[in-house]
Amino acid sequence: DADVTQTPRNRITKTGKRIMLECSQTKGHDRMYWYRQDPGLGLRLIYYSFDVKDINKGEISDGYSVSRQAQAKFSLSLESAIPNQTALYFCATSSRTEAFFGQGTRLTVV
Amino acid sequence: AQSVTQPDIHITVSEGASLELRCNYSYGATPYLFWYVQSPGQGLQLLLKYFSGDTLVQGIKGFEAEFKRSQSSFNLRKPSVHWSDAAEYFCAVDEQGGSEKLVFGKGTKLTVNP
Repeated sequence: DADVTQTPRNRITKTGKRIMLECSQTKGHDRMYWYRQDPGLGLRLIYYSFDVKDINKGEISDGYSVSRQAQAKFSLSLESAIPNQTALYFCATSSRTEAFFGQGTRLTVV
Repeated sequence: AQSVTQPDIHITVSEGASLELRCNYSYGATPYLFWYVQSPGQGLQLLLKYFSGDTLVQGIKGFEAEFKRSQSSFNLRKPSVHWSDAAEYFCAVDEQGGSEKLVFGKGTKLTVNP
């Protein structure tokens, strides 16, 4: 089984719809992250959480929200999706020395 | 602004040739430094990392990287590229050295010709 599992892997949604991307990890680490990847822009940090009660905005949090349901689960929501949120989304968890990434969720907003 | 720069968007090399991917950062102190690889349709895999000590670090798949403080660089190298190395490579920096908030460069896509 993968260390970091993201669901769904692919999703097409309509503008204005609410969508949730889910992430679970089996590494046992407290720290979890959501990144967005766009071609030519690398990965940009959306939100991060250092434990269940600690959630922080990253570089590009506008239009997104998160929920840390448990140490192992960290979900990302788009309350009202818009086309420029079309991207590849990655969840990650980390120890102090290494980050582990999921395989990504490809989201298309039409 | 603090940043990570990968000057080469796309590099093409022949199989068996040597490879060097460049990475520069603009942080004042010595951050933690990483190289990740992303194969098509996959997540990111850690190739190697530098925290302190010996400035030449060895990673997986035959890759190595050298930290040069004077140049604020952390370039990735491989002596002989294999076709399976075709992927996108990302340099990343933990600016606070243990904060575990990674800042990524924009990536370098590597194409390997037979």
